[in-house]
Amino acid sequence: GNSVTQMEGPVTLSEEAFLTINCTYTATGYPSLFWYVQYPGEGLQLLLKATKADDKGSNKGFEATYRKETTSFHLEKGSVQVSDSAVYFCALSTNSGYSTLTFGKGTMLLVSP
Amino acid sequence: DVKVTQSSRYLVKRTGEKVFLECVQDMDHENMFWYRQDPGLGLRLIYFSYDVKMKEKGDIPEGYSVSREKKERFSLILESASTNQTSMYLCASSLSGTARVTGELFFGEGSRLTVL
Repeated sequence: GNSVTQMEGPVTLSEEAFLTINCTYTATGYPSLFWYVQYPGEGLQLLLKATKADDKGSNKGFEATYRKETTSFHLEKGSVQVSDSAVYFCALSTNSGYSTLTFGKGTMLLVSP
Repeated sequence: DVKVTQSSRYLVKRTGEKVFLECVQDMDHENMFWYRQDPGLGLRLIYFSYDVKMKEKGDIPEGYSVSREKKERFSLILESASTNQTSMYLCASSLSGTARVTGELFFGEGSRLTVL
């Protein structure tokens, strides 16, 4: 079956540090890949996506590249801010059946001033 | 803006009670979903619906049922609540056929249920 594995958190960084959150996946076929973010007290919202190999998704300074050869979709940001403190979820959707997503367990990011 | 509204942010119920969690979306989305979120386990899909009166089991449907009588409303029902159903419940919606490509689920703010 499909699965998503994320690095465990919390990830603790100082403001302006470089961020990487690792995500690898197992899926049949050719999945689409996503990062969602959940700010404190809120629901999840889509951060970025990539629908085919070598695609790069980007938004709000975050980037992730769909690497089919390593089945990975690592999230990166060059300079984090305190306001980036949140829980980040990697997810996949296979192009078959219904439109459901499989989520990773989430990685909490804490950024200090 | 798409809005997904969950009726209760916080609920406290007793073991054995029947619990209704309500979710309403205002963007005419065909698909609606119920997930539960637990620390260390992430999000797990309970049930989803792709049309009125239609429902499909997700990964963890045991102990839950759902109702979709109107397109905009999707209810999660715990027939007899148990302590292991203490969790954060998240409702989401999406347009039909697009989520496979866009992946854009629109989430509510969640309902935190405590079963004593």
